[in-house]
Amino acid sequence: GEDVEQSLFLSVREGDSSVINCTYTDSSSTYLYWYKQEPGAGLQLLTYIFSNMDMKQDQRLTVLLNKKDKHLSLRIADTQTGDSAIYFCAEEDAGNMLTFGGGTRLMVKP
Amino acid sequence: DAGITQSPRHKVTETGTPVTLRCHQTENHRYMYWYRQDPGHGLRLIHYSYGVKDTDKGEVSDGYSVSRSKTEDFLLTLESATSSQTSVYFCAARFSYEQYFGPGTRLTVT
Repeated sequence: GEDVEQSLFLSVREGDSSVINCTYTDSSSTYLYWYKQEPGAGLQLLTYIFSNMDMKQDQRLTVLLNKKDKHLSLRIADTQTGDSAIYFCAEEDAGNMLTFGGGTRLMVKP
Repeated sequence: DAGITQSPRHKVTETGTPVTLRCHQTENHRYMYWYRQDPGHGLRLIHYSYGVKDTDKGEVSDGYSVSRSKTEDFLLTLESATSSQTSVYFCAARFSYEQYFGPGTRLTVT
C-alpha cells in the first residue's frame, strides 16, 4: 500500500525558516496536504497542492512538490513560537482516501 | 472546523465493554471518516461513509463497526473494547477536496 514518511522532529529558532520534509510512494496521488496539530486539538488544514503543480505559496507558507522524486516540503518563513506543533503531510489517492505520515514535531525556541 | 463535533471527548472503559463514539456535522457533507491516531503512526483510516447507509472499511477496521442513519451523524462502535483500541479517535468530513477534522475523542480501555 501507500507509504508516507516524515522525519520525527525539527527544532528551529524564532525568526528562522523551518523546512519540513515528506516523501510518499503513490505515483497516482492527486492532492497532497499539510495539516497542523496543536496539543489536545484536532488537525487543522494548512495548505494543499495539486499534483500537477510544483510550488504553492500562501503567506508565510511555501509548499514545494518534486513529483519525480515523490518529495513534498513545507517551508514556514519567520517561524514563531505559535508555530510549535506537529505537522502531518498526507497524500490523496485516486479514490479520495488520505494516507498520513507519522508527523513531524516542530519546536520553536525563543 | 466545518461544524464537526465529537462526543464524548474523553472516555475510560473496561476491556470487553461496548463503546460508541459519535460524530456530528452541521454542513450536510456527504463523505465522513473515522481515524485513529497513535504515536508514530499518524492517522489511520478505520471506516468511511459516502452517504446515508453507505459505508466501507479502511486500513484498520478490525474490531470496529460504523453506522450512518442520518447525513449529520456517523457513529463508530467498538463491540467489545480491547486495550489495543486505546487511542485518540478523530472524525472528519469532506468538502470538495478538503477534509476537516473534529476535536477528537480520547478513549482509554483498561
